[in-house]
Amino acid sequence: GAGVSQSPSNKVTEKGKDVELRCDPISGHTALYWYRQRLGQGLEFLIYFQGNSAPDKSGLPSDRFSAERTGESVSTLTIQRTQQEDSAVYLCASSSLTPYNEQFFGPGTRLTVL
Amino acid sequence: KNEVEQSPQNLTAQEGEFITINCSYSVGISALHWLQQHPGGGIVSLFMLSSGKKKHGRLIATINIQEKHSSLHITASHPRDSAVYICAVRADKLIFGTGTRLQVFP
Repeated sequence: GAGVSQSPSNKVTEKGKDVELRCDPISGHTALYWYRQRLGQGLEFLIYFQGNSAPDKSGLPSDRFSAERTGESVSTLTIQRTQQEDSAVYLCASSSLTPYNEQFFGPGTRLTVL
Repeated sequence: KNEVEQSPQNLTAQEGEFITINCSYSVGISALHWLQQHPGGGIVSLFMLSSGKKKHGRLIATINIQEKHSSLHITASHPRDSAVYICAVRADKLIFGTGTRLQVFP
């Protein structure tokens, strides 16, 4: 079946605008993760959804960042009033059953804030 | 000090060489992942392991829970293995190492 998909693949926006990034996980995967990777840096955990449990938002860098997930399907990551330091590749991953299972990564969305 | 340390940070090799990348961590974990990130940015999950050893083709991953250490080995390396290899551990959340950049020359 299809892997994790993300859209858009690239997004260029002006500072101060809001952006919305989308992730479609693998069908049946109950766990969904968002990560960020700034240029030349490692991966940063942002937020984790598991089924109907309250999401783990401990990695969100500020209140400008929020994410939603509808059931066990698509998730959107929203960044309000974007700043230049938000420029990064935003990666989504999904896994089945528990958070301890293997994660499958999407291709990422490259966000550039001018 | 980072909770997940990888070494070396950069590694160059000639085609055919045996390669080892190391990962040490300082927190209690339930699992450890090895990821591969190609120059285009795509990430592939290579292994998830919580004990012992796993093998996929030319790749071997080992973990020693007592020593809080894992190694990723590549046998008979090839230029297409050139990528950044990332170690990540599952504690209360997933914690990533900074990666090892591998370049394999023909």
